[in-house]
Amino acid sequence: QKEVEQDPGPLSVPEGAIVSLNCTYSNSAFQYFMWYRQYSRKGPELLMYTYSSGNKEDGRFTAQVDKSSKYISLFIRDSQPSDSATYLCAMREDTGRRALTFGSGTRLQVQP
Amino acid sequence: DAGVIQSPRHEVTEMGQEVTLRCKPISGHNSLFWYRQTMMRGLELLIYFNNNVPIDDSGMPEDRFSAKMPNASFSTLKIQPSEPRDSAVYFCASSLVQGQGRGTQYFGPGTRLTVL
Repeated sequence: QKEVEQDPGPLSVPEGAIVSLNCTYSNSAFQYFMWYRQYSRKGPELLMYTYSSGNKEDGRFTAQVDKSSKYISLFIRDSQPSDSATYLCAMREDTGRRALTFGSGTRLQVQP
Repeated sequence: DAGVIQSPRHEVTEMGQEVTLRCKPISGHNSLFWYRQTMMRGLELLIYFNNNVPIDDSGMPEDRFSAKMPNASFSTLKIQPSEPRDSAVYFCASSLVQGQGRGTQYFGPGTRLTVL
């Protein structure tokens, strides 16, 4: 079993829809949670960053972390065709080890 | 300001050949990470350096892989000899780590390696 599980999709939604992307994890020591967006043939870029549990909002994006359930989510409101990309969750422990453990990524397609 | 720079962007080689991938981290960053991305395994950490010193190389698949960071502005990942199963996209990322700060990792554009 992988440490981080993420549905690969693809997920296809119409423009303007609310998108929900999720990851589950098994390592209770994870404290930092991130969402990266990766466009085709590009490197991942950081979208959202959360420490421990709770919600964080940035424009159309909201990240939620539920450590009791080992479950994290990314919500995208008013989705746009430009949001079409692969979304990767990533996480790490609160130790000196800075390496990230990534989910496999969910491919999102927003139809105009 | 330039981001993480990787070269080459694409590499096609034959099995058994030596391959060298290069990375220039963001100026001022003190940590550098090498990742490999494949369809089957996703994005996996190979090795990371802090202040030019290798900290964790547990992800390096085997002795055919080696990485160096001779100074703060340059790192190489070498595969010798290369095999078809090494075909993947190799990413370099850098971050500024200060204490227990977040140390956001910034990724380069990747090198797409094909071993025939």
